[in-house]
Amino acid sequence: QQQVKQSPQSLIVQKGGISIINCAYENTAFDYFPWYQQFPGKGPALLIAIRPDVSEKKEGRFTISFNKSAKQFSLHIMDSQPGDSATYFCAASIGPGTASKLTFGTGTRLQVTL
Amino acid sequence: DGGITQSPKYLFRKEGQNVTLSCEQNLNHDAMYWYRQDPGQGLRLIYYSQIVNDFQKGDIAEGYSVSREKKESFPLTVTSAQKNPTAFYLCASRPSGGTGELFFGEGSRLTVL
Repeated sequence: QQQVKQSPQSLIVQKGGISIINCAYENTAFDYFPWYQQFPGKGPALLIAIRPDVSEKKEGRFTISFNKSAKQFSLHIMDSQPGDSATYFCAASIGPGTASKLTFGTGTRLQVTL
Repeated sequence: DGGITQSPKYLFRKEGQNVTLSCEQNLNHDAMYWYRQDPGQGLRLIYYSQIVNDFQKGDIAEGYSVSREKKESFPLTVTSAQKNPTAFYLCASRPSGGTGELFFGEGSRLTVL
């Protein structure tokens, strides 16, 4: 049973445009929502994370929007650049501690064209 | 430099053979994890360990085994019982009391012929 649904599977955006990736979760106990970025042949790396006590978190060009009632969260990449071309994974867990298990979405392959 | 080292990066094995993937970290992290990555399926948790000499099954543990004899090391054995072992395997670690960030290695790609 997939607990975190991610869409779209792939996304092509022109340089300077906005990339939007959406995730929906089922388990209302989830309270930690990170996004990871993965370049080809590399391991994922944490991009940005949010807890449900805020509806939005921004770090540079990357913003997480969180809608607790809809059980949805999304990643917005403003002014998308070719260097942002990568696979993005949303994830969720009950707390950020070592005992918690992150459940990942299926990933979105983003391509930013010139 | 601190980090997670996975080896080998690429591995080819014949069907029916066991294979062990190495994961070493020098970050002094307590918890370590093994994930499997398949196209279109995201990352799925195989096993994880919060402390030395203790580990728990993840969502897809069947056909895999692990050990945690040292804090720095968390090897994964893919046994012949694993029905579809060809995949990209990722090791990660996480400190206790941290922000929740998982630190990943660069992965090992296993191909079973």
